Amino acid sequence: DAGVTQSPTHLIKTRGQQVTLRCSPKSGHDTVSWYQQALGQGPQFIFQYYEEEERQRGNFPDRFSGHQFPNYSSELNVNALLLGDSALYLCASSLRLAVYEQYFGPGTRLTVT
Amino acid sequence: RKEVEQDPGPFNVPEGATVAFNCTYSNSASQSFFWYRQDCRKEPKLLMSVYSSGNEDGRFTAQLNRASQYISLLIRDSKLSDSATYLCVVRLPGGYQKVTFGIGTKLQVIP
Repeated sequence: DAGVTQSPTHLIKTRGQQVTLRCSPKSGHDTVSWYQQALGQGPQFIFQYYEEEERQRGNFPDRFSGHQFPNYSSELNVNALLLGDSALYLCASSLRLAVYEQYFGPGTRLTVT
Repeated sequence: RKEVEQDPGPFNVPEGATVAFNCTYSNSASQSFFWYRQDCRKEPKLLMSVYSSGNEDGRFTAQLNRASQYISLLIRDSKLSDSATYLCVVRLPGGYQKVTFGIGTKLQVIP
């Protein structure tokens, strides 16, 4: 039973560039949530996708956008990268929008220089 | 005031000790509560949900105090493998499926 997978594992980008992170949910799950975790902080909710639509959004600017595909996998796109975007980006999957049992992927560590 | 507040620690305790963490939340209408565990440079994993009546899972006990708006996690007979950061998570009211994480409390169990 495959768990949540994310790619790439690590990424280094320059300020102003754009980045795309990918997530495949746990088998049987249909909901994907994205979180940003800065060093020494808890994960911050970015947004949640279900049925290929953004259902909830946290306090993140429009530079952060996403997509969910028919196979439930998801992408997180960040435009015009800032140094402050350096963080661990976590994807979590669940069933039918539920958050009481989310499974997290290993994350993508993004460094912006 | 932050939505969810935790003491970041670290809590350094000897093996076999009992340790307790508290987490306070600001929205009195918050609906669901959880404790997650996060090992260094790893992803968070659900440790346990917190029920109104309190619940226990082996050496771990979680309690909810709605009047004072806090949840707690008690770990008995601490093991070296319990060393991790413990994240408090609160689900907001209003039918939202968005959750808010605390900063986490770091626990270091010492031999």
